[in-house]
Amino acid sequence: GAVVSQHPSRVICKSGTSVKIECRSLDFQATTMFWYRQFPKQSLMLMATSNEGSKATYEQGVEKDKFLINHASLTLSTLTVTSAHPEDSSFYICSARDPAGGRYEQYFGPGTRLTVT
Amino acid sequence: GQNIDQPTEMTATEGAIVQINCTYQTSGFNGLFWYQQHAGEAPTFLSYNVLDGLEEKGRFSSFLSRSKGYSYLLLKELQMKDSASYLCAVRDGNAGNMLTFGGGTRLMVKP
Repeated sequence: GAVVSQHPSRVICKSGTSVKIECRSLDFQATTMFWYRQFPKQSLMLMATSNEGSKATYEQGVEKDKFLINHASLTLSTLTVTSAHPEDSSFYICSARDPAGGRYEQYFGPGTRLTVT
Repeated sequence: GQNIDQPTEMTATEGAIVQINCTYQTSGFNGLFWYQQHAGEAPTFLSYNVLDGLEEKGRFSSFLSRSKGYSYLLLKELQMKDSASYLCAVRDGNAGNMLTFGGGTRLMVKP
């Protein structure tokens, strides 16, 4: 199946700093990527839908000025958590849709564990 | 919007069979997915149903009834490594084929 990578896998940052997470589709072009957040023992919550070359669509309750998403190419989307606070500590997972995938499966990256101290 | 319900936790014995149910309500149903997620890892795809009936893939099977808004994931010959969370996700054709996840079912397999 298709491969999606995320970098970094783990990051610890201080409160007030910004952190960038990269999501790459390695062997296909993804016109659409998705960013999810998952708190311990909870399910995935969609944060935003990222479309190549256009602005991301944010879910209700997600601050677009705090979670900056850039989908500059067909293989790369980035999520920047600005002015991070301890409550932003979470598991961030991206996924990419392969338009040639037939069933339009979403392929998930391995996730990024963010800890804000 | 969508409403997806699945049990929070289940426990089963190694070698047994377990069925994890999922009910959903959506206006633009366009497929149902099951994912497995081990703690601290990303979800991995298990199965996909868009038509009524049973899809079998090795030890795992998934069933769908669109009229009832119901699906189940059946795991046979349980192994200890099957201990994980199982996520039911529904794709909404009225929302750009976006996936919405249920809360997940944490399955514990005991010896």
